[in-house]
Amino acid sequence: SAVISQKPSRDICQRGTSLTIQCQVDSQVTMMFWYRQQPGQSLTLIATANQGSEATYESGFVIDKFPISRPNLTFSTLTVSNMSPEDSSIYLCSAGRDSTDTQYFGPGTRLTVL
Amino acid sequence: AQSVSQHNHHVILSEAASLELGCNYSYGGTVNLFWYVQYPGQHLQLLLKYFSGDPLVKGIKGFEAEFIKSKFSFNLRKPSVQWSDTAEYFCAVKPHQAGTALIFGKGTTLSVSS
Repeated sequence: SAVISQKPSRDICQRGTSLTIQCQVDSQVTMMFWYRQQPGQSLTLIATANQGSEATYESGFVIDKFPISRPNLTFSTLTVSNMSPEDSSIYLCSAGRDSTDTQYFGPGTRLTVL
Repeated sequence: AQSVSQHNHHVILSEAASLELGCNYSYGGTVNLFWYVQYPGQHLQLLLKYFSGDPLVKGIKGFEAEFIKSKFSFNLRKPSVQWSDTAEYFCAVKPHQAGTALIFGKGTTLSVSS
């Protein structure tokens, strides 16, 4: 299995500001993903974080709003830009060793935007 | 588009009752199947998974699930629930395509009364 940590665990931010969330995996993984879990909802995939290239975004999510970096095989960041209250959610990092492997999840970052 | 349907939004049971949570998916190709659990205040954990072989898979804490390919189903079962099984349960599917991520159902909230 892979152990995933995220920082920060929670934050309260003002409208219009940006927050960068960090994800660290304890071993090298091929696949890293970012999900959003809005209150009382299921998990929605934001994007696949590709090492050394631009992230692949799902429909409804764009790079200007959610820029993602993945400088190596164990680390990724997600930035939530120009935040509004609608961005209040839990953001989760997920990783797997290959495309058919089990995906493991970090503890999530609980974001509240005022 | 690929999708995952969980039939029950909220299930309420008494301790020792039997549990079955329904999950169906829509995808014509080969998939890996998962059930994840999220206990109150905790992060997402893998309950069990099916990759191939015996369609009846056993997971942690006495849970099992059966993959019925002809019905595109992967229902979760437990013969006798405990109060500690109170949690949110998510069914997820991962198509066998390079770079694909888990697709989640909307989740089922299980409340077990003692």
